[in-house]
Amino acid sequence: GNSVTQMEGPVTLSEEAFLTINCTYTATGYPSLFWYVQYPGEGLQLLLKATKADDKGSNKGFEATYRKETTSFHLEKGSVQVSDSAVYFCALSELLEKLSFGAGTTVTVRA
Amino acid sequence: NAGVTQTPKFRILKIGQSMTLQCTQDMNHNYMYWYRQDPGMGLKLIYYSVGAGITDKGEVPNGYNVSRSTTEDFPLRLELAAPSQTSVYFCASSYSEPSSPLHFGNGTRLTVT
Repeated sequence: GNSVTQMEGPVTLSEEAFLTINCTYTATGYPSLFWYVQYPGEGLQLLLKATKADDKGSNKGFEATYRKETTSFHLEKGSVQVSDSAVYFCALSELLEKLSFGAGTTVTVRA
Repeated sequence: NAGVTQTPKFRILKIGQSMTLQCTQDMNHNYMYWYRQDPGMGLKLIYYSVGAGITDKGEVPNGYNVSRSTTEDFPLRLELAAPSQTSVYFCASSYSEPSSPLHFGNGTRLTVT
């Protein structure tokens, strides 16, 4: 079945540091890939998505590129802020299959 | 802009008690979902619905029941609460699948003691 593996946290960074969260996936076909973010005390919200190979999703300074050859969808941000402190989830969805989530990576950005 | 609304936000149950977690959405989404979130485990799908009158099991349905009598509402029922059901529960909805984004409620934190 489909599955998502993302790097374990927690990750602690200083403001303006570069952030990378690795995500790899296993799927039988051609899935859509997502990053969701969960701020403290809230539900998840979509951060970005990509629906086919080589697509780049971007939002709020975050980027992720759908790499079919390496089955990866790594999340990056060049300069993080304290407000980026959250839990980040990589997710996969394939036709007729429900969304599969990774375990989540907790990111803390210190001023 | 209410989106997905869940109630209650917190609840403590004794073993064997029952309760219903409420979920309503005002976006006219056909698809609705219930997830549970456990530390380090990501989200696990409990039940989902593709429209009023239709429900189906997810990965971890045991101990839960759902109904979908209207497009807006998707309550989750726990009949005999067990400590293993201590978790944070999220309701979500989407317009369609598979590439439509999910809209989540703010969650219900349930403790069973």
